[in-house]
Amino acid sequence: DSGVTQTPKHLITATGQRVTLRCSPRSGDLSVYWYQQSLDQGLQFLIQYYNGEERAKGNILERFSAQQFPDLHSELNLSSLELGDSALYFCASSSGGVSNIQYFGAGTRLSVL
Amino acid sequence: GNSVTQMEGPVTLSEEAFLTINCTYTATGYPSLFWYVQYPGEGLQLLLKATKADDKGSNKGFEATYRKETTSFHLEKGSVQVSDSAVYFCALSNAGGTSYGKLTFGQGTILTVHP
Repeated sequence: DSGVTQTPKHLITATGQRVTLRCSPRSGDLSVYWYQQSLDQGLQFLIQYYNGEERAKGNILERFSAQQFPDLHSELNLSSLELGDSALYFCASSSGGVSNIQYFGAGTRLSVL
Repeated sequence: GNSVTQMEGPVTLSEEAFLTINCTYTATGYPSLFWYVQYPGEGLQLLLKATKADDKGSNKGFEATYRKETTSFHLEKGSVQVSDSAVYFCALSNAGGTSYGKLTFGQGTILTVHP
């Protein structure tokens, strides 16, 4: 158990809809990262938050947004969903530092039909 | 920008065979290097890491050495088991600059070990 909790495990929805994915980091970790894993793109970094503030952005679509709350949990919002958004979405947390070990949750599998 | 290239898979081995999965990288500065493993239906787990040149990371019989001269971080295990069947990802992280520690992953290598 990595200590990172993601909910829900599975999401099935239709095109055009909006969903929210939730992540609770390991106790004490201030950084949260979101990644997307798909067959064609592999594992891609989406966005990072540190102690409530956005710190880095990767290949995140404008239809996607995220935030980190005062209790450090994070939510990834995906809107106007398309078939191509179907993927596994991972959250990771870290305490920072030189080695920056990131601990991953089990992921949320999103299926857009 | 940063990039990681892993050997093409899948890799199929018999139990007790020797494993090598090649990984090379392109990065600015002095990145940290990682191998993560993903078992079926699970998230990624850190297998081993190295934070500077010539460091050797090791865990559960797996080893990888940070080679700056060849920009490589190849994963090796002397004798694989059926339970090692999984997807293996090489990754790097730059703690400084604008990267803020995000991980850049290779494409992953599927390993299947037969009894």
